[in-house]
Amino acid sequence: NAGVTQTPKFQVLKTGQSMTLQCAQDMNHEYMSWYRQDPGMGLRLIHYSVGAGITDQGEVPNGYNVSRSTTEDFPLRLLSAAPSQTSVYFCASSYSNPGRTEAFFGQGTRLTVV
Amino acid sequence: AQSVTQLDSQVPVFEEAPVELRCNYSSSVSVYLFWYVQYPNQGLQLLLKYLSGSTLVESINGFEAEFNKSQTSFHLRKPSVHISDTAEYFCAVKGRTGANNLFFGTGTRLTVIP
Repeated sequence: NAGVTQTPKFQVLKTGQSMTLQCAQDMNHEYMSWYRQDPGMGLRLIHYSVGAGITDQGEVPNGYNVSRSTTEDFPLRLLSAAPSQTSVYFCASSYSNPGRTEAFFGQGTRLTVV
Repeated sequence: AQSVTQLDSQVPVFEEAPVELRCNYSSSVSVYLFWYVQYPNQGLQLLLKYLSGSTLVESINGFEAEFNKSQTSFHLRKPSVHISDTAEYFCAVKGRTGANNLFFGTGTRLTVIP
């Protein structure tokens, strides 16, 4: 049981480049989300999805796009990378019922924008 | 919306000494509460959670946390820490209704000194 898988683990981008961070889960969870982790700021929600075809913005959505075409996958796209997007990105999944279970996290993607 | 405050960004403690990591939350609705642990260069793992019932919850590795509704707190404690407990600890809150989003505190880095 792989859980939540994120790729790549590390990435360096130049300012203005675009890229997609991949996230896949094999637990049939309806809910998936993306967070960024910055020193002294904890984890902040970027985007989330409550099911295939449904996405919504979190606290810090600017500069990021998401889509959810299948239950398993929830990619995060950086349209034009900026140094302020240097961060560690975590994908998480859970059942949609808030009381049913906790969130499971991937191992993270460390992104550096130069 | 919900918010979480972890006032202590770093807590150094000697091995076998007790420790308390503080967490206070703010919410206009009833909540579920969580503690997550992050070991170096890894993703987040659930340490313990409060959903309902007994206000004192325990983890398998000796941590415990007590939900105090009147003080809106969910402090994490361990009576005797080990070197292996060195990690970053995040308190998180989720509303019992509405979107299944976790709101995190800024984290507390626990360093156990031999």
